[in-house]
Amino acid sequence: DAKTTQPTSMDCAEGRAANLPCNHSTISGNEYVYWYRQIHSQGPQYIIHGLKNNETNEMASLIITEDRKSSTLILPHATLRDTAVYYCIVNDYKLSFGAGTTVTVRA
Amino acid sequence: DAMVIQNPRYQVTQFGKPVTLSCSQTLNHNVMYWYQQKSSQAPKLLFHYYDKDFNNEADTPDNFQSRRPNTSFCFLDIRSPGLGDAAMYLCATSREGGKNQPQHFGDGTRLSIL
Repeated sequence: DAKTTQPTSMDCAEGRAANLPCNHSTISGNEYVYWYRQIHSQGPQYIIHGLKNNETNEMASLIITEDRKSSTLILPHATLRDTAVYYCIVNDYKLSFGAGTTVTVRA
Repeated sequence: DAMVIQNPRYQVTQFGKPVTLSCSQTLNHNVMYWYQQKSSQAPKLLFHYYDKDFNNEADTPDNFQSRRPNTSFCFLDIRSPGLGDAAMYLCATSREGGKNQPQHFGDGTRLSIL
């Protein structure tokens, strides 16, 4: 069962930052927060993950609140190719995908 | 350069006719996973191999089985496919098991049942 809550959908403008929220209020101390995305007809793509510190890589930044009950994925400059379903997952020993957020980037 | 390769991308089989889906990886990862993703739903884990150790999810139907003959290859066997088994089947790998191990997915095989 998914342990996260995400908005069903969101729009963002091309070239602007996209901030994707996720609530995981029941996360336990040794569980990581993972973000994946799935572009239509492709397999899920790993984006980033973290335990309690903020993380950044070439794709995105992950901001985790101090109490670890929520996080935000930031796509710094959204492009049309970032249109996808974004999944926030709290990792036990496996990935339990929820419904995710359908992100549509508009020109 | 694809690192988790699933062939074919599309597979059609007949109701009740056994079918095998294949997955190979060039990452030399210890763990390989199979997920089922039905239309408009999220992926759902069926089972995984940690090296040669097979781990089945509790609610995976008996109709689904898997083989891992070596590190690089893993197969999903559906013994008697029903119409409800039509789905995208996704293979993934991770270097090790555990919570700090990203999974890397292939692009899936879309299975249709006639």
